[in-house]
Amino acid sequence: AQSVTQLGSHVSVSEGALVLLRCNYSSSVPPYLFWYVQYPNQGLQLLLKYTSAATLVKGINGFEAEFKKSETSFHLTKPSAHMSDAAEYFCAVSLIQGAQKLVFGQGTRLTINP
Amino acid sequence: KAGVTQTPRYLIKTRGQQVTLSCSPISGHRSVSWYQQTPGQGLQFLFEYFSETQRNKGNFPGRFSGRQFSNSRSEMNVSTLELGDSALYLCASSGTGGLVSGYTFGSGTRLTVV
Repeated sequence: AQSVTQLGSHVSVSEGALVLLRCNYSSSVPPYLFWYVQYPNQGLQLLLKYTSAATLVKGINGFEAEFKKSETSFHLTKPSAHMSDAAEYFCAVSLIQGAQKLVFGQGTRLTINP
Repeated sequence: KAGVTQTPRYLIKTRGQQVTLSCSPISGHRSVSWYQQTPGQGLQFLFEYFSETQRNKGNFPGRFSGRQFSNSRSEMNVSTLELGDSALYLCASSGTGGLVSGYTFGSGTRLTVV
């Protein structure tokens, strides 16, 4: 069964600093991988997805992630944090073939310090 | 185009009651999935419907059920409510590309069981 581990339930960075949110996955077959963001009292918004094309994926709001099969990782980065990036971020995995469902990590709350 | 609409946004119910939540997907989307989000368990998959048929089901008791109508609108029902059912219930829809095209989530229904 596939699973996702997000390292760090809470990450705090200064405005303008690099954002790095870590995600490792476990899957016996090639996965699809996703990053979602959730702002308070809202649903989930898709930031980016890896669906077995380019390993470096660019998303919205300046975020990008790199799929590294050898490390089973899909870390999310942004070169320069903005105050508006403060939110909770979820990494998710699903199988390329099989049940159309997402398995989520526990989430990482990102705080931006002025 | 309009996003995924979930109604109501907030609900307060008493233990033992039942509740019905509604989800209207993006126009043209035929797949609707439901997720439960709690602080303790995180985001968990409930079920997925496609063209009025349940295709996948998560590990939830039979008190949780759902259905999808011919216009792709979906409802989920929880009977004999327990305190532990208090959660944010999220609905997501996807087009013909399924996971490849990504899910669009609604803002959720926050259910409080007292």
